[in-house]
Formats: sequence, C-alpha cells, structure tokens
Amino acid sequence: NAGVMQNPRHLVRRRGQEARLRCSPMKGHSHVYWYRQLPEEGLKFMVYLQKENIIDESGMPKERFSAEFPKEGPSILRIQQVVRGDSAAYFCASSPSAGAGNTIYFGEGSWLTVV
Amino acid sequence: GQSLEQPSEVTAVEGAIVQINCTYQTSGFYGLSWYQQHDGGAPTFLSYNALDGLEETGRFSSFLSRSDSYGYLLLQELQMKDSASYFCAVRDNQGGKLIFGQGTELSVKP
Repeated sequence: NAGVMQNPRHLVRRRGQEARLRCSPMKGHSHVYWYRQLPEEGLKFMVYLQKENIIDESGMPKERFSAEFPKEGPSILRIQQVVRGDSAAYFCASSPSAGAGNTIYFGEGSWLTVV
Repeated sequence: GQSLEQPSEVTAVEGAIVQINCTYQTSGFYGLSWYQQHDGGAPTFLSYNALDGLEETGRFSSFLSRSDSYGYLLLQELQMKDSASYFCAVRDNQGGKLIFGQGTELSVKP
C-alpha cells in the first residue's frame, strides 16, 4: 500500500515562473491537506480538500496560490509568479475521512527553491 | 482559533528520559496528537490522546489532561536516532484540519 506520493521532490524556479506540486493520497483516502514549512519553522496549514471540493483554504495566500483535487488524478498546488519568499518545503497529507482520530499521513514533501 | 505552545528545543543524553510539554487553546477539542520529523524528512504520526491519561507505545508515551489543556510526550531510553523535531497538534474547531505547534527540536547527545 503506497504512501502519500509527492512530486517533484525538488523544484527550482526563477522568480516570476510557475510552480506545480502534485500529491497522490494514500489508497482509499479522499481527504488531502497541504502544509508549508519554512526552514526551522513549524507546519503551516494552507488548504484542505476533498475530491472536487475545497473544504478550507483559510491558510492559502489570497493571490498567486491555488489548489485543486480533481475527481481523477492527483491534487495540485499551484503557485504562480513565484517569489523568493515562496521557497519552502510543501507537504501534502491525506486521511481516509475527516475526524479519523488525528492521524494524517504525510508525503515526503516537495522542496521549492526560487532563485 | 487554536494555538499550541511547546518548548523550542530540548537537549538530553542517550539513555535518559525526556518530556516535551504542550499546552493548547482550542474552542472545540478533538484530541491531541504528536508527530516526529527528522531533518529533511516527512512528519510521521507518533501518538494520539482523545481522553485523559497516559498512552504508551514502546519507548514513547503521551499524556493528556483536558482540564488543564495540557499534554506531554515522554521519550524513554533515548537513542541518537530520536534526535528530531516533535510537534503537538490539535484539530480545528470544526474537526477539520490539524493545527501544529511550532515544534520542539530534541537533540540527543552521546
């Protein structure tokens, strides 16, 4: 049973380019969460999605960031016109349902570097 | 909203016992979780307490006191590989997303 799969693991973008980060949840999981982690900092919630629905995007910056979780395929976190401050690790996590204990399963992360 | 407080760093020696505390504020409580994260790695689930008391899983135990809005993670017989960051977490007041503390960096010395 494969875990949460994220790709790419490492991504370098120049300022102004777009970054697309992908996340395939664990088999049987329909809830996906995206978190951002800056060096030496904690995990900051960004967005919570179910298939075809955004449940909570209270942690997403209002501009340049968007997320989707289509009926088929992985969840995508898209960052347009990247800036140096977007450099961070982006972690995706999944769970089978909301309120399933407090267990969510994380992927290995996507490290974005903006140069 | 929700907030969690935990120490930023703790240092201990191999073989020792260390306790990492976490206090939380949340309008609705759905349990307290602990996650471990090694440098450059993914956070991994360690334990979950929904009710008061101690939960033991091998060398790791976790405690919760809902009346005090307090919990701790206890690590026994410390090993070098336990050097990592440890995060406490609660669900938000709708029982949706997990909110994490800032993390406690544990350094285990020989």
